[in-house]
Amino acid sequence: EVQLVESGGGLVQPGGSLRLSCAASGFSFSGQHMNWVRQAPGKGLEWVAYISSGSGTIYYADSVKGRFTISRDNAKNSLYLQMNSLRAEDTAVYYCARDPDSSGYSSYYLDVWGKGTTVTVTS
Amino acid sequence: DIQLTQSPSFLSASVGDRVTITCRASQGISSDLAWYQQKPGRAPKLLIYAASTLQSGVPSRFSGSGSGTEFTLTISSLQPEDFATYYCQQLIGYPLAFGGGTKVEIK
Repeated sequence: EVQLVESGGGLVQPGGSLRLSCAASGFSFSGQHMNWVRQAPGKGLEWVAYISSGSGTIYYADSVKGRFTISRDNAKNSLYLQMNSLRAEDTAVYYCARDPDSSGYSSYYLDVWGKGTTVTVTS
Repeated sequence: DIQLTQSPSFLSASVGDRVTITCRASQGISSDLAWYQQKPGRAPKLLIYAASTLQSGVPSRFSGSGSGTEFTLTISSLQPEDFATYYCQQLIGYPLAFGGGTKVEIK
């Protein structure tokens, strides 16, 4: 079964740091581009970051650029999001999601999503 | 960056109704659009990509159309399990952008 499982969320103070993980199974993780998408309470979906299959290409939303770092370990079938200098507005459920294209190009749509992990930034 | 505007933001409908949701792009995006369904407390689920291609396993009562700047998601006969929030997403490139969502509730 194709599956993504996020972990690492929690309660953190403003200015603090957190590292999210996403464990992939049931597919060839090393061949797929990956994304993080978040959803603030009661709000819509916001794309956060993208990493290509070989980590050669990385993009960030302007709202997190310079504070968040996306990375992956293909040997461990894992995706990460290091979040520093956290703000109240970073409070959200964070989802990892797969780009289905394994040809090397991006499809840009997201066909497999994890259940999400909740990050709460509050003093 | 491309902005996507969905309408309506909220709609109330009955089981069996035909429902149409619109997504407008701030610039032409050919057929590069996807639709997702999200139920409360759940992750989004891909319904349609490339404006009209149904994702595997999605019921045929869902359909998508449009190109350029205007797109529609249609549910031909609303079922109880279809009450959810629907999002469009552009497939032109990064940064990815989603519409604001349309919540479909039971009348």
